[in-house]
Amino acid sequence: GAVVSQHPSRVICKSGTSVKIECRSLDFQATTMFWYRQFPKQSLMLMATSNEGSKATYEQGVEKDKFLINHASLTLSTLTVTSAHPEDSSFYICSAGETGALEGYTFGSGTRLTVV
Amino acid sequence: QKEVEQDPGPLSVPEGAIVSLNCTYSNSAFQYFMWYRQYSRKGPELLMYTYSSGNKEDGRFTAQVDKSSKYISLFIRDSQPSDSATYLCAMSGRTYKYIFGTGTRLKVLA
Repeated sequence: GAVVSQHPSRVICKSGTSVKIECRSLDFQATTMFWYRQFPKQSLMLMATSNEGSKATYEQGVEKDKFLINHASLTLSTLTVTSAHPEDSSFYICSAGETGALEGYTFGSGTRLTVV
Repeated sequence: QKEVEQDPGPLSVPEGAIVSLNCTYSNSAFQYFMWYRQYSRKGPELLMYTYSSGNKEDGRFTAQVDKSSKYISLFIRDSQPSDSATYLCAMSGRTYKYIFGTGTRLKVLA
């Protein structure tokens, strides 16, 4: 089955620094990738959608300049949290699929970000 | 009112029990319904996918969709301790944008 690899699984960073999270589709071409944030005991909240070769589409309330998304190839998307603050601490998860594959996208294993 | 409502639990059942997990929704445009299982500190794993109304069975899992009542269910037969996880429902219309429930935490006791 489709596999999405996400790295790192955990990261601790100092306030004010930037953190990059990678999401790779290992055995398929991911024309569309999604980035979610999940707070404890809350549902996954879609942050942005990226399509290969074009700018990401951000959800309302998500700061584009803070959460930089790059989808440079059909197998790789990155999320960079810039100037991280403690309130950015969360579980970030990517998912990927071929455009139009509405019957469920494949999720990465998630990244636990802690900003101290 | 949230678009998707799901009881967060936790739900504790003895091993071998039949588990019923449910979600209600308000948007009649939803056509695609998914159930995901999420273990602690891991990404969600797709369990079941259903299009429109009806039932779908896969091993010990059965998904039901009742669009007239805006109600979906996931049944787990012969539950095992390894089924202990958080179960998330998700749904979408004719776009890629999934709306997730908050997840129900299930504990199957040995």
